[in-house]
Amino acid sequence: QKEVEQNSGPLSVPEGAIASLNCTYSDRGSQSFFWYRQYSGKSPELIMSIYSNGDKEDGRFTAQLNKASQYVSLLIRDSQPSDSATYLCAVNIKSGGGADGLTFGKGTHLIIQP
Amino acid sequence: SQTIHQWPATLVQPVGSPLSLECTVEGTSNPNLYWYRQAAGRGLQLLFYSVGIGQISSEVPQNLSASRPQDRQFILSSKKLLLSDSGFYLCAWSAVDRGPHEQYFGPGTRLTVT
Repeated sequence: QKEVEQNSGPLSVPEGAIASLNCTYSDRGSQSFFWYRQYSGKSPELIMSIYSNGDKEDGRFTAQLNKASQYVSLLIRDSQPSDSATYLCAVNIKSGGGADGLTFGKGTHLIIQP
Repeated sequence: SQTIHQWPATLVQPVGSPLSLECTVEGTSNPNLYWYRQAAGRGLQLLFYSVGIGQISSEVPQNLSASRPQDRQFILSSKKLLLSDSGFYLCAWSAVDRGPHEQYFGPGTRLTVT
């Protein structure tokens, strides 16, 4: 079973600090890695995509990828209460049926404390 | 810009009743379309995947089916709902002019089977 693993949390971070979210995946053939943010009762929103080893920065968000360790992370700098949400890690894993969908972790619940 | 619509937003149906959920995408041609389900306490699960009109791949054996009668329309159906069909149903799209495997979600349909 090809999987994506995340710590479910909750992860509590004070406002203004750096929030660090982690994810591991099982399929060494995966090529595309994503972070989605999901507010309670809403659909997931794509916030970061990363395809090669190293760091990718977009505003307050930095995604980090280490394919050798099969590890993806998301850093949120200067955390704001509006960042409180569930963060889903997603990886492209070819399914047994051949579909080219994404496999999602169960998500990490992040709470930013004012 | 691209927009994805889903309806209805919420639905309460008795066990054994039929189901039809609709998803339409605007602003892009020939998208890949996906149906996911997010059940309580579980991650997002890929149900169906389509690369074109009439082309459907099923990922999970179940009493659900999908159809794609038009390029930007994707329909999820069931002839007889089970209690286990309750969940948050999400339609997503991807396109060749976006990053590899990037998927964008619609607002979702929350289904409760009673």
